[in-house]
Amino acid sequence: GQQVMQIPQYQHVQEGEDFTTYCNSSTTLSNIQWYKQRPGGHPVFLIQLVKSGEVKKQKRLTFQFGEAKKNSSLHITATQTTDVGTYFCAGLYNFNKFYFGSGTKLNVKP
Amino acid sequence: DVKVTQSSRYLVKRTGEKVFLECVQDMDHENMFWYRQDPGLGLRLIYFSYDVKMKEKGDIPEGYSVSREKKERFSLILESASTNQTSMYLCASSLYLGGSNQPQHFGDGTRLSIL
Repeated sequence: GQQVMQIPQYQHVQEGEDFTTYCNSSTTLSNIQWYKQRPGGHPVFLIQLVKSGEVKKQKRLTFQFGEAKKNSSLHITATQTTDVGTYFCAGLYNFNKFYFGSGTKLNVKP
Repeated sequence: DVKVTQSSRYLVKRTGEKVFLECVQDMDHENMFWYRQDPGLGLRLIYFSYDVKMKEKGDIPEGYSVSREKKERFSLILESASTNQTSMYLCASSLYLGGSNQPQHFGDGTRLSIL
């Protein structure tokens, strides 16, 4: 069945370093959403990408959707301790079912 | 702001018990979801509902059922709880607008332990 693979599972960076997490699907996605879950919290929506090749930015965060709509990435420039948490992608198939990636847990050392 | 409320933050039950997890949303959302979250596995969809009395199986429906009698409430039922159902359960809701699924809003989760 459809699934979304997300890598890496963990990432430890020094504050100020960059961070990237990747999601890949074997089949075309209708759209992809990104969520952040702080330790002890629940997932919070960050952004949705719909168009092929779409790139969106939120301050230090850059989100990309691949040309074939099968992969996506989230890049954080110059990480801060407030970026700590688990980042999930969620791919939508056939406009009716979401599959979440397994998440990338980011730890930022001050 | 959207509010998704789950009835319990922590719950401890015994093997074989019938367990009810309740979720209420206050934004008139059409879609509601139940996930379980386990370390290294992310969020796995158990069931979702796109309208009252409508339900669809997700990835891992075995051992679970759901009920949506009112638009604002979506219940997850463990028919006969087993220890492998010990997990964090997350409820979410979203708007369905113009043929497109909108962002999901999550509750705080219920950490369920089956002894």
